[in-house]
Amino acid sequence: NAGVTQTPKFRVLKTGQSMTLLCAQDMNHEYMYWYRQDPGMGLRLIHYSVGEGTTAKGEVPDGYNVSRLKKQNFLLGLESAAPSQTSVYFCASTESPTEAFFGQGTRLTVV
Amino acid sequence: QQPVQSPQAVILREGEDAVINCSSSKALYSVHWYRQKHGEAPVFLMILLKGGEQKGHDKISASFNEKKQQSSLYLTASQLSYSGTYFCGTEWWDRDDKIIFGKGTRLHILP
Repeated sequence: NAGVTQTPKFRVLKTGQSMTLLCAQDMNHEYMYWYRQDPGMGLRLIHYSVGEGTTAKGEVPDGYNVSRLKKQNFLLGLESAAPSQTSVYFCASTESPTEAFFGQGTRLTVV
Repeated sequence: QQPVQSPQAVILREGEDAVINCSSSKALYSVHWYRQKHGEAPVFLMILLKGGEQKGHDKISASFNEKKQQSSLYLTASQLSYSGTYFCGTEWWDRDDKIIFGKGTRLHILP
């Protein structure tokens, strides 16, 4: 049982490049979330989804887009990366209101 | 808005007790507690749903006050393994299914 898997684990981007982060869960959870973690700021919600085909904005959605075409996958896209998007990104899934399971994180550096 | 956690950081000696608070400006539907070790993903500790609820396991417990605007995490007779950053995650009664986290409390246990 893999739980929540994030791909890739590390990435370095140049300013202006685009990329997609993939989150896959095998627990059949309805709810999925993307957070970013920066020193001293805690976990801030970027976007989330309450089911296949649905997405909604979180606390810090600007500069990011998401899609949930399949229930098990939640994609986070950066269309034009900026240095301010350097962060550790965590995906989580849950069958609300129960335990949220987190992926191992993606460390993204934008230079 | 983010729940407010206090204190921001705590340094204890092994065997001492700690209390971490999580406060919201409005009534909550649920409160989650997580612990994160450096370089790892957050790990679920417990969730509280009912006003006045208290729960726990081993020497870690939590309470949810009657008005459901504050939760406290209690670490009794702390062990070295308790070191890490503790986050509370909150859901509000509007049930938009977002989990919003506080900025975290760093706990360091000295031998």
